Amino acid sequence: GQSLEQPSEVTAVEGAIVQINCTYQTSGFYGLSWYQQHDGGAPTFLSYNGLDGLEETGRFSSFLSRSDSYGYLLLQELQMKDSASYFCAVRDSSYKLIFGSGTRLLVRP
Amino acid sequence: SQTIHQWPATLVQPVGSPLSLECTVEGTSNPNLYWYRQAAGRGLQLLFYSVGIGQISSEVPQNLSASRPQDRQFILSSKKLLLSDSGFYLCAWVSGGANVLTFGAGSRLTVL
Repeated sequence: GQSLEQPSEVTAVEGAIVQINCTYQTSGFYGLSWYQQHDGGAPTFLSYNGLDGLEETGRFSSFLSRSDSYGYLLLQELQMKDSASYFCAVRDSSYKLIFGSGTRLLVRP
Repeated sequence: SQTIHQWPATLVQPVGSPLSLECTVEGTSNPNLYWYRQAAGRGLQLLFYSVGIGQISSEVPQNLSASRPQDRQFILSSKKLLLSDSGFYLCAWVSGGANVLTFGAGSRLTVL
């Protein structure tokens, strides 16, 4: 079957760095993506990794290790507005994008 | 630029009533289209996806159905709603071989 595992909740202090891990098990693999969703809103795309290594986009970075079926999202210089749910998602060979259950990030002052 | 429209934004329906949610995409052609459902405080469950007109793949056995009558139109339907159908329904599209999903604003359904 297909599954993505990520922590349900993470708490961090404003200005700190937080890492959200994602492990996956899918029949095919065409990349790992990350999405952010604020309460009541729709998810928005953050980052994509098709190959192993680190991708950096401003304060956000994402890492992928295909041999370990593992990736993470790194958020630096945390701000209050970063409080949201973060989802990892994997595209398999048939154009399906499967999402993890989400990690709720709470940023405290 | 590409935009995605989804409606209605909110609806309250009695158990056993029909459902129709509509999604349209503008500014692109032949997109892959998706319907997801999200229960309160939970993750996104893939319901249906479509890679072309009339081509629908169903992921979860249920009382819902989807149709794609036009290239940029994706409709989610039910003949008889269940209480468990309550949730936040999200339409999304991706262009060709790209990997970025763009979501509509969502339709929040409450079945009473």
